[in-house]
Amino acid sequence: DTGVSQDPRHKITKRGQNVTFRCDPISEHNRLYWYRQTLGQGPEFLTYFQNEAQLEKSRLLSDRFSAERPKGSFSTLEIQRTEQGDSAMYLCASSRSDREAQGYTFGSGTRLTVV
Amino acid sequence: AQSVSQHNHHVILSEAASLELGCNYSYGGTVNLFWYVQYPGQHLQLLLKYFSGDPLVKGIKGFEAEFIKSKFSFNLRKPSVQWSDTAEYFCAVISTGFQKLVFGTGTRLLVSP
Repeated sequence: DTGVSQDPRHKITKRGQNVTFRCDPISEHNRLYWYRQTLGQGPEFLTYFQNEAQLEKSRLLSDRFSAERPKGSFSTLEIQRTEQGDSAMYLCASSRSDREAQGYTFGSGTRLTVV
Repeated sequence: AQSVSQHNHHVILSEAASLELGCNYSYGGTVNLFWYVQYPGQHLQLLLKYFSGDPLVKGIKGFEAEFIKSKFSFNLRKPSVQWSDTAEYFCAVISTGFQKLVFGTGTRLLVSP
């Protein structure tokens, strides 16, 4: 058990459909991050929250992507009108802002396949 | 912008061979450096980290890394690899003012028994 939970583990969807992923961070962690990882690449930053505030979004995050963390606990990442290029592993991580040097704890990821 | 380069994309070694994986970063300010490992089918796990003090840091499973500031490098080493070290290894950096971990492209290590 990593402490960061992601659901679902796998998602297969048809192109054009909307999908939503959930991440539950470690409870005492106030920062939550979303990353995307494709084959042969390292994780790429998408966005992060400190408590409920979304503080930064990557230019990789097109208008079809939206993330929320309404109560500063769990977060959701929604992709609208999915495209085949969205197929990837979506990783969530959490940390404490006062212990950033300790690194992040990652979840197991949600593998999205768009067919 | 900060960036991380990992020079070796694929490494194949026999058990008991020594390992060194290269990592260079681009940011000139204060950095915290990490190596993460991803075993087949598993999540990313922290192997070791550097944030200050002794530039030679030791991590889990016999791994170590040396921070050489003048070379902007943080190479990962292990004197004798085992078959169970087969995994993908990612170097990552977080620097003051950037607020997020930036990863290299990873090195896939295959250790043959």
